[in-house]
Amino acid sequence: TQLLEQSPQFLSIQEGENLTVYCNSSSVFSSLQWYRQEPGEGPVLLVTVVTGGEVKKLKRLTFQFGDARKDSSLHITAAQPGDTGLYLCAGALNAGNMLTFGGGTRLMVKP
Amino acid sequence: EAGVAQSPRYKIIEKRQSVAFWCNPISGHATLYWYQQILGQGPKLLIQFQNNGVVDDSQLPKDRFSAERLKGVDSTLKIQPAKLEDSAVYLCASSVTSGSYNEQFFGPGTRLTVL
Repeated sequence: TQLLEQSPQFLSIQEGENLTVYCNSSSVFSSLQWYRQEPGEGPVLLVTVVTGGEVKKLKRLTFQFGDARKDSSLHITAAQPGDTGLYLCAGALNAGNMLTFGGGTRLMVKP
Repeated sequence: EAGVAQSPRYKIIEKRQSVAFWCNPISGHATLYWYQQILGQGPKLLIQFQNNGVVDDSQLPKDRFSAERLKGVDSTLKIQPAKLEDSAVYLCASSVTSGSYNEQFFGPGTRLTVL
């Protein structure tokens, strides 16, 4: 059982559709990060959230940290083929602690 | 600014053989991480260095895996002897310092196949 559960594991949608990816845990995190990973490359940081209830926006991407700091979501509006990739959430139980990654959501956006 | 460099990019070996991976972090980054990413899963931290000291190696299979970071810059990760289940991508990352709020910059990884 992973500390961070991501859902769905796979998502295939058409260009222009909206989608939401979830990252859930029974543990409380001091911070949570979202990364995007493309084939043959390492993950790239998208955002860090640290406050319960926090919402951050990055162009068409909206990230939310749950009030209890146990879960997070990533919402993409009007998805584009360039959004295709593996989306990973990663949490730290304590500031200064190591990151634990979820299993990832593989997104494919078809033109 | 140059990113995290890793070599080789691909390696194929037979079980029971040895293999070593090399990582050069971003200049000035004190913290270096090695992760193992099995196909279809998220990365799993193997070891974390702060300068040339080990901060966390609780998930490193020490009977066959070893890592060092001489002089607090480059790092090598070795597997001896390799098993089939070691087939994975090995990612190196670095950050300015330790701390979960610090951005980790990842290299492209080394894809290891054990036959």
